[in-house]
Amino acid sequence: AQTVTQSQPEMSVQEAETVTLSCTYDTSESDYYLFWYKQPPSRQMILVIRQEAYKQQNATENRFSVNFQKAAKSFSLKISDSQLGDAAMYFCAQNTGNQFYFGTGTSLTVIP
Amino acid sequence: NAGVTQTPKFRVLKTGQSMTLLCAQDMNHEYMYWYRQDPGMGLRLIHYSVGEGTTAKGEVPDGYNVSRLKKKKQNFLLGLESAAPSQTSVYFCASSYLGGLETQYFGPGTRLLVL
Repeated sequence: AQTVTQSQPEMSVQEAETVTLSCTYDTSESDYYLFWYKQPPSRQMILVIRQEAYKQQNATENRFSVNFQKAAKSFSLKISDSQLGDAAMYFCAQNTGNQFYFGTGTSLTVIP
Repeated sequence: NAGVTQTPKFRVLKTGQSMTLLCAQDMNHEYMYWYRQDPGMGLRLIHYSVGEGTTAKGEVPDGYNVSRLKKKKQNFLLGLESAAPSQTSVYFCASSYLGGLETQYFGPGTRLLVL
């Protein structure tokens, strides 16, 4: 069975600073995709960034970037220049075929 | 475009009652998904559909049925035939053009309380 593990239930960061959220996954598949989703208090799930497993280059989206270590099955999210609007639950997810597997989430607090 | 919408937003049921949750998307997406979100559990896939008239089981399908009718592929229904307190949760619908890397677009969620 696929599993996605987020070992940090809660994290906090000072505004304008950088924070890294951790995610590890377990799959026997060679072809898969990885995602980070943000869920603010409104509960709306918003895609932050995605990564194809066959690509060695780490994905970046403005202030958000990932550190993808395929051999270690690690997929961490780095948020640079943190803003108050970044405060939310962050979920790591892995897709294989038609199935998606989500981690349990990391609650990020941004301190003004 | 409305994106993905869910009806209702909130519902209270008594144990044993039945109900249907409606998901609708206006993006002509082939793939649709139903998830449940419980505290400390993240999202878990209940059922999904890869096209009109098709459905498949996800990680936690027991106690639920789904329907994706031909001619109405924009709708994906989640049914609870006999609700149980363990089905108290927040339910999310999502859709994507295809599976795999394609972005999933989520609805706003339905909060269900089973007493």
